[in-house]
Amino acid sequence: SQQGEEDPQALSIQEGENATMNCSYKTSINNLQWYRQNSGRGLVHLILIRSNEREKHSGRLRVTLDTSKKSSSLLITASRAADTASYFCATDSGTYKYIFGTGTRLKVLA
Amino acid sequence: DTGVSQNPRHKITKRGQNVTFRCDPISEHNRLYWYRQTLGQGPEFLTYFQNEAQLEKSRLLSDRFSAERPKGSFSTLEIQRTEQGDSAMYLCASHAMGETQYFGPGTRLLVL
Repeated sequence: SQQGEEDPQALSIQEGENATMNCSYKTSINNLQWYRQNSGRGLVHLILIRSNEREKHSGRLRVTLDTSKKSSSLLITASRAADTASYFCATDSGTYKYIFGTGTRLKVLA
Repeated sequence: DTGVSQNPRHKITKRGQNVTFRCDPISEHNRLYWYRQTLGQGPEFLTYFQNEAQLEKSRLLSDRFSAERPKGSFSTLEIQRTEQGDSAMYLCASHAMGETQYFGPGTRLLVL
């Protein structure tokens, strides 16, 4: 079963625009991670945010975490065609068993 | 390249046959995970190892599935008597005591 659900399921934007995707989860967590997956490939780790953190940045990525709402968001600024991929959140509830969401398929149009 | 390798990358088999996949994690990583991913879905947890001990198995892992990690190094995932519903991407990931998992490229299985 999936712990998280990403929203929207699919997103299409123009190059240069910002992309925001959201992740909601069901149980308390130790940390939440975001991953990118290009079509048919393995997952690439983007950023990890711990339950006591509210915001983290990495390059053009900004992740926020609201534990009271059990939700996280991933913002990609100044998007590029190379950002086209599926994005997943994964949560760890302290058992080192990572549960992934259903993913957001992002398409960046050149 | 994350440093986690999986073989084979693709496997086509007939229903009823047995298949085995291999994962070589990053050498200093003591935790190793197997996931299954079907089209349009996120990875689903199957099982994980800490060193050579298999600590948790999902109920998705039926009796036809078995995983091993001898000596806490590489791991194998075997599926016996494959069914068409087993067709999926099988992903392996590893990590050390930190929380970041590093994924391999996956093995895509097609059961005819």
